Amino acid sequence: DSGVTQTPKHLITATGQRVTLRCSPRSGDLSVYWYQQSLDQGLQFLIQYYNGEERAKGNILERFSAQQFPDLHSELNLSSLELGDSALYFCASSVAGGFNEKLFFGSGTQLSVL
Amino acid sequence: GESVGLHLPTLSVQEGDNSIINCAYSNSASDYFIWYKQESGKGPQFIIDIRSNMDKRQGQRVTVLLNKTVKHLSLQIAATQPGDSAVYFCAEDPRGGADGLTFGKGTHLIIQP
Repeated sequence: DSGVTQTPKHLITATGQRVTLRCSPRSGDLSVYWYQQSLDQGLQFLIQYYNGEERAKGNILERFSAQQFPDLHSELNLSSLELGDSALYFCASSVAGGFNEKLFFGSGTQLSVL
Repeated sequence: GESVGLHLPTLSVQEGDNSIINCAYSNSASDYFIWYKQESGKGPQFIIDIRSNMDKRQGQRVTVLLNKTVKHLSLQIAATQPGDSAVYFCAEDPRGGADGLTFGKGTHLIIQP
């Protein structure tokens, strides 16, 4: 168990809908990362937050947004969902979100858009 | 394209043998590398990491080798066990932590009894 908690484990929804994925980092970790994993693209970095502030952005679509709350949990919001958004979404956390830190991953949320 | 890649998508080894999983990276500025293991239905699990000022690092039954000359990373697993069956990813930190880790596509390690 990595200590990173993600909910829900599975999410089935329809195209055009909006969903929210939730992540609680390991105790003491200030930084949260979101990754998308699909068969054809592998693990793709979406966005990183550190202590409530956005720190880095990767291949995140404009339809997606995230935030990190004062208690350090994070939410990833996916809107106007398309079939191609079906994937595993992982949250990871690290102590300080700085250089050369190992990330600890949650078990992921499997999103199916029908 | 991907700056980190793996030579083989699938590797099959006999139980008890040593496994070697390879990874090539293209960004010579990368100074930190990690190996993750992902079992079915789970998130990536940290195995071992190495910084660019080292060329070898050992853990419990695992060794990571870094060859900066040819930009090559490998993971060696000694005495492979059934529990080692998983997808293994190498990842690099190409921008000093600014944009998260860049992951390769992964190698599926299959253990033959």
